[in-house]
This record gives sequence, structure tokens and C-alpha cells, in this order.
Amino acid sequence: EDKVVQSPLSLVVHEGDTVTLNCSYEVTNFRSLLWYKQEKKAPTFLFMLTSSGIEKKSGRLSSILDKKELFSILNITATQTGDSAIYLCAWGPSGNTPLVFGKGTRLSVIA
Amino acid sequence: SAVISQKPSRDICQRGTSLTIQCQVDSQVTMMFWYRQQPGQSLTLIATANQGSEATYESGFVIDKFPISRPNLTFSTLTVSNMSPEDSSIYLCSVSPANYGYTFGSGTRLTVV
Repeated sequence: EDKVVQSPLSLVVHEGDTVTLNCSYEVTNFRSLLWYKQEKKAPTFLFMLTSSGIEKKSGRLSSILDKKELFSILNITATQTGDSAIYLCAWGPSGNTPLVFGKGTRLSVIA
Repeated sequence: SAVISQKPSRDICQRGTSLTIQCQVDSQVTMMFWYRQQPGQSLTLIATANQGSEATYESGFVIDKFPISRPNLTFSTLTVSNMSPEDSSIYLCSVSPANYGYTFGSGTRLTVV
């Protein structure tokens, strides 16, 4: 059975800390791995990773994929209270199939 | 990427009633996906809606409870029927019109009392 496993499930840090969120996967027909941030209702897209070893960056967030070891990490540096959210990792087999989500990591950043 | 208009944004419903959620996409898409997110949980796929054919439901979800319509390539509805408090969730539609660029609607927060 295809699965996506995220860790930790929850995390509390202080502003300014750096956090690393983990996502491992055991899937058939890997095409892409995606990261989303969910604050209220709709997940907002962060990164899509298809190639191993290539880091993607957006401001204080970055992510990388290791296709050999079947995992991805999402790093957030200099965390802010606005980073408090659920971070979701998902596997995307193809555009005509739905995403398979991990359980998410609930990040709380306290001042 | 596609833009999805999802309605209603939220609703509070009496048990035993039904609610229909609509998603309108600004471009034509082959597949639309409907998810449920129960409180404290991740997103769970309810069904995949393909225009012109019956929706494909995931294990644990049935058409009588969650009927889906897909009348054209830009629109779909999900109905939550005979609601109970356990149906209180966020419901989301999603599309992927341009290979791997998954987009979500703004979500419907449903509370059943």
C-alpha cells in the first residue's frame, strides 16, 4: 500500500529557531512529492520536488528530495509566529490521479 | 495555475439534512478530486470526478452518502447527505490541470448540529 509518513506530528519552537520537517514515502510509480502549508482551510502550495538532490528555496523555506532514501525534508529558518500552521507532504503520481497526503506536522511558533 | 471558486465557505446544518458544495474552475480539467478533513486529521480522498462518467469513490465512501455531479469540464458538486455530527469537517475540491500543479478550492467548513 502506498503511504506517506510525516514526522514529527507536532512541534513547538520559539521564534528565530530553525526547524526541519520530515516526509518519507513508500509508493509505486513515484512522479513528484509536494509540500503544502495549511493555516485555515485550503492548503497553499509550497514546493513540488521531482528530482533528487536539487534544493528548492522560497525565502526562509527550503526543501530537498532524496529519491534513493525515499524522503524529503522541509526546512524553515528564523521561524516567525506566522509560520504556525500544519505542513502537509503529499505524493503525486500524475496529474490525473489524486494526491496522497501524510498526516501532517502541526508547527507552533511561540514568541 | 487554475483558480477554483468553492461555495459555500462555511455552513452550520441540522442533522438529517443535506448540503451541496460547488466548485467552479477557471479552466477545463479532466479530473476533479474531493477531499474531507476531519478535525485534527489530514486530508482524505472521498472520490475522483471525471466528466461524463460516474465518480470513483474511495473505500469508506459511498455514492448514496456523497453524491457527486460533474456536468462539464469546469464544474462539480459534492452533496453530503443525511448529515450527522460525524460529517463535521472541512471539504475541499482539487484539480491538476497542468501536470502536477495541484490547486485547491478555498474549502467548506461544515458543522452539523
